[in-house]
Amino acid sequence: KAGVTQTPRYLIKTRGQQVTLSCSPISGHRSVSWYQQTPGQGLQFLFEYFSETQRNKGNFPGRFSGRQFSNSRSEMNVSTLELGDSALYLCASWTAPGEQYFGPGTRLTVT
Amino acid sequence: QKEVEQNSGPLSVPEGAIASLNCTYSDRGSQSFFWYRQYSGKSPELIMFIYSNGDKEDGRFTAQLNKASQYVSLLIRDSQPSDSATYLCAVITSGNTPLVFGKGTRLSVIA
Repeated sequence: KAGVTQTPRYLIKTRGQQVTLSCSPISGHRSVSWYQQTPGQGLQFLFEYFSETQRNKGNFPGRFSGRQFSNSRSEMNVSTLELGDSALYLCASWTAPGEQYFGPGTRLTVT
Repeated sequence: QKEVEQNSGPLSVPEGAIASLNCTYSDRGSQSFFWYRQYSGKSPELIMFIYSNGDKEDGRFTAQLNKASQYVSLLIRDSQPSDSATYLCAVITSGNTPLVFGKGTRLSVIA
């Protein structure tokens, strides 16, 4: 069974731009979670989707948004990028809440 | 605020020794506990989960949970250099709340 895929793997943007990241979950998984990982803050929860509905949202500003499609694929969008948004963005899919399968991540650099 | 605390390390152990990784959590109502391993430059992968007080063994790994002390640990027996990684403790506090991660402990197994 194919794992979680994320595109793109690497991205360089400038301040003020916006970015869209994509995640395709493991086949049959209807739940997707997004995380931001930085050296200082570790893994921080962004959002969680199940069957196109956002079930939980982390403590991030409104510039961070996401959605899930009917085929369970998910996207997250960050508008008006700031230098502090530079991070590894990880997507995970799952059937049991704690047993998550992570994708390889998208490394975002904001200059 | 629900927190999961880990010593950042690095924890250095000689090859063949037992590595002991510890984690404390603040929410007494926490229900489920997970250990993820993250190699440098890779995404986290689930290695153990535990729901009940006591020990749970899987190969060289043993997870220990003490809910009264709000403490969960991971023991790695016969540590190998390939075990060198960052180990992330994660907790589901209650209901449909998302997974909360600690910042991880970096383990270094010296050959």
